[in-house]
Amino acid sequence: QVQLQESGPGLVKPSETLSLTCTVSAGSISTYYWNWIRQPPGKPLEWIGYVDYRRSANYNPSLKSRVTISIDTSKKQFSLRLNSVTAADTAFYYCAREGSGWGFDFWSQGILVTVSS
Amino acid sequence: QSVLTQPPSVSAAPGQKVTISCSGSSSNLGNNYVSWYQQLPGTAPKLLIYDNNKRPSGIPDRYSGSKSGTSATLGITGLQTGDEADYYCGTWDSSLRAVVFGGGTSLTVL
Repeated sequence: QVQLQESGPGLVKPSETLSLTCTVSAGSISTYYWNWIRQPPGKPLEWIGYVDYRRSANYNPSLKSRVTISIDTSKKQFSLRLNSVTAADTAFYYCAREGSGWGFDFWSQGILVTVSS
Repeated sequence: QSVLTQPPSVSAAPGQKVTISCSGSSSNLGNNYVSWYQQLPGTAPKLLIYDNNKRPSGIPDRYSGSKSGTSATLGITGLQTGDEADYYCGTWDSSLRAVVFGGGTSLTVL
């Protein structure tokens, strides 16, 4: 059973960079698309982007200028960096695997990242 | 404003059936698979339906999915109080080149 666990700070200051890492266990990272998805409290899901094992990435156009998703297959980890954060970036951040037809079949438990000084 | 449109809330009695709609356009639902997710309070979303109408292992057949043109529907039969949750549809949008989700539907089992 694939498991995903995100890690990173729960508090980031405005204008700084949000950095999260997702560790994949019990499965290969060398297939599938590995995604970041966020959800502001009380609001809908928002897809941030994905990376694959070849380090090919694709981002939501609304965030593209501020986002970088990278992968380290040797550590079975992929990471999110979001620059120049504001309070609007406060959200639960999830990492997830895309299984088929853009269905996300495995999710992490989620981490609340608050942007505040 | 979400790209995919869902009703904000639906309700039904225990044991009854409910359907949740998801409306989009030719650039998303019209030409791509739809997935459905259940999000219980305080938890991560869980995949219920993928590729329009397939259920992952472990998802009971009380949950079903269908798609026609630019609309999709999630059906839940034999409603239980444990089904109270938010439900989201999602798909790829070929014009935006992004995954898009609906605004979510809150299900109440009366």
